[in-house]
Amino acid sequence: GENVEQHPSTLSVQEGDSAVIKCTYSDSASNYFPWYKQELGKRPQLIIDIRSNVGEKKDQRIAVTLNKTAKHFSLHITETQPEDSAVYFCAGNAGGTSYGKLTFGQGTILTVHP
Amino acid sequence: NAGVMQNPRHLVRRRGQEARLRCSPMKGHSHVYWYRQLPEEGLKFMVYLQKENIIDESGMPKERFSAEFPKEGPSILRIQQVVRGDSAAYFCASSKAGGTDSPLHFGNGTRLTVT
Repeated sequence: GENVEQHPSTLSVQEGDSAVIKCTYSDSASNYFPWYKQELGKRPQLIIDIRSNVGEKKDQRIAVTLNKTAKHFSLHITETQPEDSAVYFCAGNAGGTSYGKLTFGQGTILTVHP
Repeated sequence: NAGVMQNPRHLVRRRGQEARLRCSPMKGHSHVYWYRQLPEEGLKFMVYLQKENIIDESGMPKERFSAEFPKEGPSILRIQQVVRGDSAAYFCASSKAGGTDSPLHFGNGTRLTVT
């Protein structure tokens, strides 16, 4: 089955700096890669996603890049703010047939220091 | 749009009791997914249901766990004879369609504690 590896497990940055989180996946059939932000005790919230026919997608301070050949994708957050502090999860859809059956990475705890 | 509604938010059960977790999908969504999150870990897929049908239960433990999504009412995740290892956050998610054009929206989860 699909295996998604996420690095780093923790990331600490100063306010205003950029943050990058990287994920690799194993199933070449995967074609949908969402990123979720989860604050302590709350639900995962979709912040951005990318499909395999696109190499990069940007939404204000957040961008995601995808390298299908290397099977890795990354989340980039620019001009970080303390409110960005949370756990971030990458995911891929094993088998490529549904956007609902996702394999998640282990998570990255992002801390933005004021 | 009220979003995905889960209840209860917190559930405490003694070992051997039954736990019933409820999930009402977002309005207009007919596909429901259950995920489990152990402390400090990512979410793990359990089961995918449509109304009156289990589509994929490949992530469900073989014993004690069952799920349903009846024609009327919420989806139910049922855990019989709970053990301490069942303690986790259980998240329900819904989507408009099950294919490749409908992202998941998660509920706030039910945090199950088995004492």
